[in-house]
Amino acid sequence: TQLLEQSPQFLSIQEGENLTVYCNSSSVFSSLQWYRQEPGEGPVLLVTVVTGGEVKKLKRLTFQFGDARKDSSLHITAAQPGDTGLYLCAGPPHTSGTYKYIFGTGTRLKVLA
Amino acid sequence: NAGVTQTPKFQVLKTGQSMTLQCAQDMNHEYMSWYRQDPGMGLRLIHYSVGAGITDQGEVPNGYNVSRSTTEDFPLRLLSAAPSQTSVYFCASRNGYRQYFGPGTRLTVT
Repeated sequence: TQLLEQSPQFLSIQEGENLTVYCNSSSVFSSLQWYRQEPGEGPVLLVTVVTGGEVKKLKRLTFQFGDARKDSSLHITAAQPGDTGLYLCAGPPHTSGTYKYIFGTGTRLKVLA
Repeated sequence: NAGVTQTPKFQVLKTGQSMTLQCAQDMNHEYMSWYRQDPGMGLRLIHYSVGAGITDQGEVPNGYNVSRSTTEDFPLRLLSAAPSQTSVYFCASRNGYRQYFGPGTRLTVT
């Protein structure tokens, strides 16, 4: 079974702090995506990384795809209460083509004002 | 644009009952999929479709049927509901890397 493991599972921090969330697998992925999900809603796509070693920035969020395309990280600078939510990584394993996405188990972030 | 819509929002079924979860998208995406989300397990792919008339199984297809007669609609059928199917169900449509999720259907099977 191909898995995407996220760490930490839960994170509670004060406003203004920095944090990093990790997404790891033993399998190679064609691409990796990060989503944020709020209670009672569907996940919303934040970013897609495609090339090994790729770094993308979205305001205070920095996403990195590992050189071997087996892992990814999400770094948030100066977290704000609006960043609170469930963060999910997802992608298609290289052996599955582009149709079958695997989702990570999620990191639940709470940013306290 | 409405994006991806799902109905109903909530549903309670008794074991053995059948029902259809509806999903529609207005973005003309060829690829659509169904996921279930359970606590601590992320989202798991049930079935997907790469176009009208074409469907395939995902990671957890047992107990679910799908069909795709139009580009817009991708219903998910539970033929005989079981308590293990209690979950939140999300429909998604995708164009390239851009994947859009519906608001979800919370299903409880008693």
